[in-house]
Amino acid sequence: DAGITQSPRYKITETGRQVTLMCHQTWSHSYMFWYRQDLGHGLRLIYYSAAADITDKGEVPDGYVVSRSKTENFPLTLESATRSQTSVYFCASRRQSSTDTQYFGPGTRLTVL
Amino acid sequence: AQSVTQLGSHVSVSEGALVLLRCNYSSSVPPYLFWYVQYPNQGLQLLLKYTSAATLVKGINGFEAEFKKSETSFHLTKPSAHMSDAAEYFCAAWGNTPLVFGKGTRLSVIA
Repeated sequence: DAGITQSPRYKITETGRQVTLMCHQTWSHSYMFWYRQDLGHGLRLIYYSAAADITDKGEVPDGYVVSRSKTENFPLTLESATRSQTSVYFCASRRQSSTDTQYFGPGTRLTVL
Repeated sequence: AQSVTQLGSHVSVSEGALVLLRCNYSSSVPPYLFWYVQYPNQGLQLLLKYTSAATLVKGINGFEAEFKKSETSFHLTKPSAHMSDAAEYFCAAWGNTPLVFGKGTRLSVIA
């Protein structure tokens, strides 16, 4: 089915481990985004990408790494997970125009012990 | 930098009552404005958006919002609340930077 998917949906890891969250979209949207959602903070942008091989930092990029070798995939890596990175992570995508709708994935709930 | 303020982290209304969720944005350039809804354990989905066309925007599920430049506001309304409207609502703005979200308003609907 067309759409935007995230995997895994739930992940428990330990402090210091590397974790990669996957995001895949089937629309060939130019832009892709990673947000984290925390109580009292709403959604905060971590990284975004305007096209394959083009990425840029958002509001809270520290501790995260992204790559985009293919248009449809935008993985987010926590190189050394910390407890403060416990959160719900959402991936989103949209077409080129900033007036276009931004579509969100179902989210990944990450717990760092 | 663009910022979005949602007044009230939690709003409760009775079933059938008017829903009013407030959103103010800060920008010297009129932005594009969006309302998203999030149901429990789900991602966000678009309710409606303002993109410099009509100032009164109609969305899905009977919601609408009015862009008021003089008040820098984009409040979301629905004439009659339904139990299924209970969710988290996010206002967002796009100026010259990626979409910026407010902190959200949780809407509770009381039978």
